[in-house]
Amino acid sequence: DAKTTQPPSMDCAEGRAANLPCNHSTISGNEYVYWYRQIHSQGPQYIIHGLKNNETNEMASLIITEDRKSSTLILPHATLRDTAVYYCIVPPNSGGSNYKLTFGKGTLLTVNP
Amino acid sequence: GAVVSQHPSRVICKSGTSVKIECRSLDFQATTMFWYRQFPKQSLMLMATSNEGSKATYEQGVEKDKFLINHASLTLSTLTVTSAHPEDSSFYICSAKQVRGSFTWDTQYFGPGTRLTVL
Repeated sequence: DAKTTQPPSMDCAEGRAANLPCNHSTISGNEYVYWYRQIHSQGPQYIIHGLKNNETNEMASLIITEDRKSSTLILPHATLRDTAVYYCIVPPNSGGSNYKLTFGKGTLLTVNP
Repeated sequence: GAVVSQHPSRVICKSGTSVKIECRSLDFQATTMFWYRQFPKQSLMLMATSNEGSKATYEQGVEKDKFLINHASLTLSTLTVTSAHPEDSSFYICSAKQVRGSFTWDTQYFGPGTRLTVL
């Protein structure tokens, strides 16, 4: 499995961009980077995923370095509702159709008013 | 799109009874569903993977006779906790994998979770 490393916690001011880093230096060429978040007492919410190119959707942007050894999830304008634990996951064999998600400890993002 | 529901959201039962939790994909077909368990202040732990029409695959250390999984249709999977005990009290979460056409990658979407308390 490609292990991921994330800071245990981060703070962000409301309205500012939140940049959450993730290291995945052992990622294989066909493995994707997935981001999920979990708000307290709720199920995880899918945010975004990518392989090589930067990706953007209505929730966030994902920036993957050229060597693919790290990535950054960007919430452009953080709100109080974005306070959650954010998980960066690199499932093994995610280039195929049958893979498992392994959740680490993630990063607790606290958005402050 | 890609909504997954769970029922019930919260259940309290007596020790020794069985509890069934339902997981439904509301607007897509899910050939594969997953069941996770989360204890307080811990991360999610995968319990089992179920494919429609076949037996579930359990992770190491998860008792298949205690946690019965049935994936009877492309939109419904159930988890039954048999002879529940207080140590089974946890947050149970399911996810469903949405297969996107001919692409080989796909995305798991999670339900809201079921809080089980065994007295």
